[in-house]
Amino acid sequence: QQQVKQSPQSLIVQKGGISIINCAYENTAFDYFPWYQQFPGKGPALLIAIRPDVSEKKEGRFTISFNKSAKQFSLHIMDSQPGDSATYFCAASYGQNFVFGPGTRLSVLP
Amino acid sequence: NAGVMQNPRHLVRRRGQEARLRCSPMKGHSHVYWYRQLPEEGLKFMVYLQKENIIDESGMPKERFSAEFPKEGPSILRIQQVVRGDSAAYFCASSPTSGSPDEQYFGPGTRLTVT
Repeated sequence: QQQVKQSPQSLIVQKGGISIINCAYENTAFDYFPWYQQFPGKGPALLIAIRPDVSEKKEGRFTISFNKSAKQFSLHIMDSQPGDSATYFCAASYGQNFVFGPGTRLSVLP
Repeated sequence: NAGVMQNPRHLVRRRGQEARLRCSPMKGHSHVYWYRQLPEEGLKFMVYLQKENIIDESGMPKERFSAEFPKEGPSILRIQQVVRGDSAAYFCASSPTSGSPDEQYFGPGTRLTVT
């Protein structure tokens, strides 16, 4: 119940394309769903987050879509750039209880 | 506003030695979390602390590992008698005392290598 599933494990996208990463959870107590971006040798950085009272949140080229009934949420990166190449982690939390997905390694080809 | 600070960034220890990892949270943050990340894997929760209190240590191995967050100074993750399997990146995160407690901000990590 505490697990967060994430797919795909790795993703290759051409520059300008759309990158889509999906996550699913089981515990309905989760009420905060952040996405983190991690470059090699660096710590994860908070990218964008959503709460279950909305179905979509957009910040620049990054959009989270949230489906409460399906217990799924996804990250869309529009107009993907080589600088977006990194590992992306979804997470789910309630209170201070955080659970991370296993990560998706995104490579954007120039 | 300085971010979460961790030191050292890289630490090499021989088997059987002790490793001490330090984390200074962001200003205004009194919640500290420690995570372990193995190569090509996600973040695994270890422990959650507030000043002078361990709130949740359910992810911490029962032996050799301990954590503290004293009233003054950084949070310390201590690993005694290290083994090769302890080699990993250890990340600290902090969250605000008030406002949005959900948002965790990560430090750059300490990469521990046990030889």
